[in-house]
Amino acid sequence: GQQLNQSPQSMFIQEGEDVSMNCTSSSIFNTWLWYKQDPGEGPVLLIALYKAGELTSNGRLTAQFGTTRKDSFLNISASIPSDVGIYFCAGPIYNQGGKLIFGQGTELSVKP
Amino acid sequence: DAGITQSPRYKITETGRQVTLMCHQTWSHSYMFWYRQDLGHGLRLIYYSAAADITDKGEVPDGYVVSRSKTENFPLTLESATRSQTSVYFCASSRPGQGQNEKLFFGSGTQLSVL
Repeated sequence: GQQLNQSPQSMFIQEGEDVSMNCTSSSIFNTWLWYKQDPGEGPVLLIALYKAGELTSNGRLTAQFGTTRKDSFLNISASIPSDVGIYFCAGPIYNQGGKLIFGQGTELSVKP
Repeated sequence: DAGITQSPRYKITETGRQVTLMCHQTWSHSYMFWYRQDLGHGLRLIYYSAAADITDKGEVPDGYVVSRSKTENFPLTLESATRSQTSVYFCASSRPGQGQNEKLFFGSGTQLSVL
């Protein structure tokens, strides 16, 4: 079945540093999504990508839809303490409208 | 704008007991989902519903039952709770349509401990 693998599993960085994380799959996805989960809350959609090669920004966040359609990347520039949380990539399950599969998440810690 | 609410926020129960987790959304979204979150596994789909009275199994449905008699409610029942069902449970909803049905809105979660 479809699976999404995220790396790294966790990151400990200093405030102000840039962050990169990625998500890979053995299957092709037509849509890539990035969600963020703040501690004690449910995930919230950050960025949605719909086209291979697409690069989309949301403030200090930039995500890319890989050209092979089997991967996606999320970058955070100049991290701040409120960037702390778990970042999930997700993609729609093939031919099952509305259902998403999620990666295992990348847990980000930012030291002030 | 209440959005999507889950109750209770925290629940402790014992092995073998029946537990129901509630989910209510005010947007009239067609799709509703139940996910569980466990360390190392991310979010795994338990059940989903495309509309009232239409439900389908997800990746990890064993031990769970759902119903959807009204569009706005999607309760999840653990018929006989087991320790392996200790987890954080998230309800989510979305509306159909290109570019919309993959944008899930999540509740704040229910942290369930089965002793």
